[in-house]
Amino acid sequence: NFMLTQPHSVSESPGKTVTISCTGSSGSIASNYVQWYQQRPGSAPTTVIYEDNQRPSGVPDRFSGSIDSSSNSASLTISGLKTEDEADYYCQSYDSSPWVFGGGTKLTVL
Amino acid sequence: EVQLVETGGGLIQPGGSLRLSCAASGFTVSSNYMSWVRQAPGKGLEWVSVIYSGGSTYYADSVKGRFTISRDNSKNTLYLQMNSLRAEDTAVYYCARVAGTTDWGQGTLVTVSS
Repeated sequence: NFMLTQPHSVSESPGKTVTISCTGSSGSIASNYVQWYQQRPGSAPTTVIYEDNQRPSGVPDRFSGSIDSSSNSASLTISGLKTEDEADYYCQSYDSSPWVFGGGTKLTVL
Repeated sequence: EVQLVETGGGLIQPGGSLRLSCAASGFTVSSNYMSWVRQAPGKGLEWVSVIYSGGSTYYADSVKGRFTISRDNSKNTLYLQMNSLRAEDTAVYYCARVAGTTDWGQGTLVTVSS
């Protein structure tokens, strides 16, 4: 079964840039769109990136997404980190199962 | 404005049944790709089920044969009928609409315990 692997946690200082990776277990991650969801404690998920690199309206351009076929991975990059960016981030794509989620990455902004 | 409101969660004994509802506004459920996603306490997101605009449905292996996704076009509402509930089904259940981006409801908590 297709799996998406994320680092368990990352941390960075306010104002800096952080990148969260999401690596596909097989096939080509570029074959299907990747989405990224932000989930703050006690809240529902929200979409920060869809279709690999598209931002929903209202999501600041500090958030960006990309695909690297050579490493079969997707990345979420957040620049100019703010304390409000502290949250769990999940990647999601597709395979034979309609939705496949990564295990989530806890971002700490300290 | 797109809005999704889940209801129907609660405490239920193992083996019991529950029906979750997701009332939608700002768009037509039957014309969209709708999904249920759950999150067990302290755990990550887990896809549960999907219904496409054409009516095709799919389920995660963990719920196949026990859960049924459906929609009522007249009420613009998505449902998840959950039967033979187990302790491991305890989670917050979210409905989501995919139209390029994904819109999420606020979730409803289902607790399966005796």
